[in-house]
Amino acid sequence: AAGVIQSPRHLIKEKRETATLKCYPIPRHDTVYWYQQGPGQDPQFLISFYEKMQSDKGSIPDRFSAQQFSDYHSELNMSSLELGDSALYFCASSPRDRGFLTEAFFGQGTRLTVV
Amino acid sequence: AQTVTQSQPEMSVQEAETVTLSCTYDTSESNYYLFWYKQPPSRQMILVIRQEAYKQQNATENRFSVNFQKAAKSFSLKISDSQLGDTAMYFCAFHNTGNQFYFGTGTSLTVIP
Repeated sequence: AAGVIQSPRHLIKEKRETATLKCYPIPRHDTVYWYQQGPGQDPQFLISFYEKMQSDKGSIPDRFSAQQFSDYHSELNMSSLELGDSALYFCASSPRDRGFLTEAFFGQGTRLTVV
Repeated sequence: AQTVTQSQPEMSVQEAETVTLSCTYDTSESNYYLFWYKQPPSRQMILVIRQEAYKQQNATENRFSVNFQKAAKSFSLKISDSQLGDTAMYFCAFHNTGNQFYFGTGTSLTVIP
């Protein structure tokens, strides 16, 4: 079965550079979210999209932006990278059942290292 | 605001034994979903089990079962016949009608041979 695809799997950037993370959700899943997980931490919600529109926003820095495209894939753009942005970035997608997100299917994550 | 609390940062269990991981949550909603996710060393997030709040029957998935106490807002995970492959970080998560999942801080489980 198709899963959530994230690219790249690993990314190394220098401080003040920009990075773009991509996410391809499972077909027919209408909700996509991004989470950031620092070393030894729980996943922190960044932002979500429902039917290509931004829906909820969490602790996403102003330096970050995200969007969902007409083919439902999503991109997380990160500018002016800081050392503290080093983390595992998860994308997840969900189907809905009577309005509820019944399960989040996670991608394998993109490990971003800022040096 | 929704919060999820896991009060056990680390736990260990002997192989083939049973272990219970605790989770409490806070919400004013009446309809919601609860989940346990497993994150092994590969750091892939894997769904272990989910519970719909309006269902009184506790969910079970093979060796994994939950004790869902809605009034107490408690959602514990029981792992029976623990296996070495169960060693992982376990996250309790909550979702209602919004567009995000709320995660607890995780419990690191080690299965000892």
